[in-house]
Amino acid sequence: GAGVSQSPSNKVTEKGKDVELRCDPISGHTALYWYRQRLGQGLEFLIYFQGNSAPDKSGLPSDRFSAERTGESVSTLTIQRTQQEDSAVYLCASSLSGLTRYYNEQFFGPGTRLTVL
Amino acid sequence: AQSVSQHNHHVILSEAASLELGCNYSYGGTVNLFWYVQYPGQHLQLLLKYFSGDPLVKGIKGFEAEFIKSKFSFNLRKPSVQWSDTAEYFCAVESNTGKLIFGQGTTLQVKP
Repeated sequence: GAGVSQSPSNKVTEKGKDVELRCDPISGHTALYWYRQRLGQGLEFLIYFQGNSAPDKSGLPSDRFSAERTGESVSTLTIQRTQQEDSAVYLCASSLSGLTRYYNEQFFGPGTRLTVL
Repeated sequence: AQSVSQHNHHVILSEAASLELGCNYSYGGTVNLFWYVQYPGQHLQLLLKYFSGDPLVKGIKGFEAEFIKSKFSFNLRKPSVQWSDTAEYFCAVESNTGKLIFGQGTTLQVKP
């Protein structure tokens, strides 16, 4: 596709349920990132995939959060046993390469707005 | 740890006023710096970037930013804002592992 796409655009769930968020990066982009934006706060890094390397999971806030990526395409972010504090916009971005010191612009998707009741 | 600080959280200007949004970062090494903008209802998009070379960088829509290494700053400027500049602005630094560290964001409201 022309840009990064994410689905669903909105998700309302009950506390304790699991949710799965999807990201389709730009074709050919080897690097994929997930960020979280809570209301009134900046973007918070969650996880980063670069090619076949082990992902950088240093931003995941708890073990309820996990993410997978199939090769260099789709990624899913899973939140288990959702809590109200998980309510946020979850943004996905991709870039040609995330290699150290090699500049690449990150292109962002529209985000998934998650509301946990 | 790397961090980014944006000093202005909410700025209100009249059209044609000049704009300067502050951004400071903490990182002693070589940095790549970015300003992203999010217009109402739209995706986050790149406004401008600094990678190396001329510390004064120009971006889209008349925006520019100056990298001052000694001050660890990358302030965003525009000489004359328009109503269409109403948006949220994020400063970011690229870590040495490729991920972006964002500031808290500044909401700019331009009154017509």
